[in-house]
Amino acid sequence: DGGITQSPKYLFRKEGQNVTLSCEQNLNHDAMYWYRQDPGQGLRLIYYSQIVNDFQKGDIAEGYSVSREKKESFPLTVTSAQKNPTAFYLCATAQVAHTEAFFGQGTRLTVV
Amino acid sequence: KQEVTQIPAALSVPEGENLVLNCSFTDSAIYNLQWFRQDPGKGLTSLLLIQSSQREQTSGRLNASLDKSSGRSTLYIAASQPGDSATYLCASADSGNTPLVFGKGTRLSVIA
Repeated sequence: DGGITQSPKYLFRKEGQNVTLSCEQNLNHDAMYWYRQDPGQGLRLIYYSQIVNDFQKGDIAEGYSVSREKKESFPLTVTSAQKNPTAFYLCATAQVAHTEAFFGQGTRLTVV
Repeated sequence: KQEVTQIPAALSVPEGENLVLNCSFTDSAIYNLQWFRQDPGKGLTSLLLIQSSQREQTSGRLNASLDKSSGRSTLYIAASQPGDSATYLCASADSGNTPLVFGKGTRLSVIA
């Protein structure tokens, strides 16, 4: 079954903890993206990667880190430096930049 | 920097009505424009992608148009149904390798 898998669907974090959100794809896409969605604010870009072992900061990268060691995987770590991490996180892929983008089902992160 | 605007933020229509959702962008040098649908708590589903060289794209009851000179795209939904209720987002891909820039979406409610 082809597609993009984000896990977990729900995640709870205590203040001061780092957590890692998983994004895996079997579409053989080169480009992968992480967006954050907050009510009333639309989607904001955190990080993106257009090729393995390379990634760039988006508009709101502070407090987040990523890696792209494999084409299929683009995990996002929310560090303790991110002061307001409660949000809905969306991973997207595209064959290459500018082609049709596809999204995973999202991870809802809540700080408790 | 590209800015994408969707007005209105919310729209409620009776079942069976034809409707138009609007998307405007500030930089007409786009590579393509993509329309998405998002159901509550879910990821985004790609509906239509219009290349900069195209004027419109159709899929079933959906028709998206693009007018680069005026910086506008519209999504036309024919014979609306309660199942069309969702948030609709547009996003532009600019020249270069920059990721998609999203509008904040229009939340559509189709009342039976």
